[in-house]
Amino acid sequence: LAKTTQPISMDSYEGQEVNITCSHNNIATNDYITWYQQFPSQGPRFIIQGYKTKVKNEVASLFIPADRKSSTLSLPRVSLSDTAVYYCLVRGFQKLVFGTGTRLLVSP
Amino acid sequence: DSGVTQTPKHLITATGQRVTLRCSPRSGDLSVYWYQQSLDQGLQFLIQYYNGEERAKGNILERFSAQQFPDLHSELNLSSLELGDSALYFCASSVGASGSVLDIQYFGAGTRLSVL
Repeated sequence: LAKTTQPISMDSYEGQEVNITCSHNNIATNDYITWYQQFPSQGPRFIIQGYKTKVKNEVASLFIPADRKSSTLSLPRVSLSDTAVYYCLVRGFQKLVFGTGTRLLVSP
Repeated sequence: DSGVTQTPKHLITATGQRVTLRCSPRSGDLSVYWYQQSLDQGLQFLIQYYNGEERAKGNILERFSAQQFPDLHSELNLSSLELGDSALYFCASSVGASGSVLDIQYFGAGTRLSVL
């Protein structure tokens, strides 16, 4: 069974850059990597998606090395409102594997 | 607002009972996914339907079943409920069947089920 692992928690301060890594050793050729943000008692919210190399949007960047066995979500200049749980998802044809989730705490 | 609607928001029931959770996908989305999230736990994939047909199955118990109707809304049926079934149940939808770059899943706000 494919395992997708993340650090349990991370701490940061406002204004810092935060990098959260997801390990997905069993990723298949056609799988995509997606990252979600979840606040308590809310549904996960889409942040960014990628297949390889680097992807960037207005809120985050996603770095995927050539072997694709890991991915790193980068949040620039975090604020208190970025305190949440972050999940990676490896998805493909008939395959959906969420990571274990990383609880990010941003302090003043 | 993701465009995915789940009802009811909260459900309180007793052990042994049966409940039905409902999900309306975003306009134009053909796939519906169901997930379970227990207290302080991650997201466990249960089942996926694509255009009315079951497409993928995850860790879904035999006491649970789902279906997707012609209008593409979906229902998750939970029967013979146990205390351990208390959780948040999320529905998500996507355009296609999950295998392409377009198939980003968008999640509803969830149904909180409490089994007493």
